[in-house]
Amino acid sequence: QLQLQESGPGLVKPSETLSLTCIVSGGSISSSSYYWGWIRQPPGKGLESIGSIYYSGSTYYNPSLKSRVIISVDTSKNQISLKLRSVTAADTAVYFCVRHHVVPAGLGWFDPWGQGTLVTVSS
Amino acid sequence: DIVMTQSPDSLAVSLGERATINCKSSQSVLYSSNNKNYLTWYQQKPGQPPKLLIYWASTRESGVPDRFSGSGSGTDFTLTITSLQAEDVAVYYCQQYYSPPYTFGQGTKLEI
Repeated sequence: QLQLQESGPGLVKPSETLSLTCIVSGGSISSSSYYWGWIRQPPGKGLESIGSIYYSGSTYYNPSLKSRVIISVDTSKNQISLKLRSVTAADTAVYFCVRHHVVPAGLGWFDPWGQGTLVTVSS
Repeated sequence: DIVMTQSPDSLAVSLGERATINCKSSQSVLYSSNNKNYLTWYQQKPGQPPKLLIYWASTRESGVPDRFSGSGSGTDFTLTITSLQAEDVAVYYCQQYYSPPYTFGQGTKLEI
């Protein structure tokens, strides 16, 4: 059974870089059928796709965050990472690691999801 | 960006009754080359990550009870839950994957 586990600091200071890692277990991150990505959810609010990465390194980023985001993949460790620089309080959210399904003409739904990790941006 | 708008924002339904949640996209998510609607539904219970319920607008994910069904095409979609159970209390989200960025509706909170 595929599992995704996020980890990283729960508190980041404003203007610094948020860094998270997601370890994938129960399946290979090198599958041709999936990208692997990040979604965030501010407390009490809705969902926002941040971006996704293929095992080869090909990426999709949400244009609203693209200038501040880097998603990377390490196939030897079966994990992906997220870096979001120059954070502000608006970046406070639960960050979910997800498997992003490849569909005809692009990318599709997100399944499964990790449990998520809360990152608070505060001094 | 494609804007997804759900209605209502919240609703209360009695146990055993039907719940209907609507989702409207700002442009069609029907892909003409394969006649598929690029839309999915998720269920999020308190303190949990979202769970995939339906994709291609109407295909139920394996293991999802058949009281959950999706319908619609183009820009207007519906998630229907027949015979509501207590465990169905959750927030429900639609999401389009027709074009990036992949956007979600604002969510509909379903209560008993």
